[in-house]
Amino acid sequence: DAGVTQSPTHLIKTRGQQVTLRCSPKSGHDTVSWYQQALGQGPQFIFQYYEEEERQRGNFPDRFSGHQFPNYSSELNVNALLLGDSALYLCASSFGFNNEQFFGPGTRLTVL
Amino acid sequence: AQSVTQLDSHVSVSEGTPVLLRCNYSSSYSPSLFWYVQHPNKGLQLLLKYTSAATLVKGINGFEAEFKKSETSFHLTKPSAHMSDAAEYFCVVSDRHSSGGSNYKLTFGKGTLLTVNP
Repeated sequence: DAGVTQSPTHLIKTRGQQVTLRCSPKSGHDTVSWYQQALGQGPQFIFQYYEEEERQRGNFPDRFSGHQFPNYSSELNVNALLLGDSALYLCASSFGFNNEQFFGPGTRLTVL
Repeated sequence: AQSVTQLDSHVSVSEGTPVLLRCNYSSSYSPSLFWYVQHPNKGLQLLLKYTSAATLVKGINGFEAEFKKSETSFHLTKPSAHMSDAAEYFCVVSDRHSSGGSNYKLTFGKGTLLTVNP
């Protein structure tokens, strides 16, 4: 049984560019949450998707957007990249939004 | 609003000695509390969770934590540290609304780096 998978593993972009990160949830899960983990910090909640809708959002600007597909996979898009967007981006999946979240290995984004 | 304070950014112990990682929380409702571990270049793994059942929670790898509402604490302990326990540990809170649902998001502390010396 595959766990949560994320792609790509690493990514290097320059300021002002746009990036798309992808996440496939654990089998049987229908809810996906995204977190940003800056170096030396705990993960911070970006948003959560359930039934293809954004259900809750953390304190992140509109440059951060997402999408959930009918197969429950999800994308995180970040526009107009800033140096401060450099971080590990974690995806977590669960069955319903009120249950244990399982985390993927993350995508390391570096903005130069 | 919910928040978590991990009282130590770094804890260093000798192999075979007890581990204590301290966590205090703030929550508007009856919270769910978790401890996650993150090994280098690996994903977050759930160690244990408290969801209003027994206040002493047992987790994987010999870890346990006690929920103390009066002290708003949820400290993580292990009787005897192993070298493989060296990692970053995160205390996490998730509010549960009075209706019984969750507010969906997890709020993480800043983490405690556990070093185990031989």
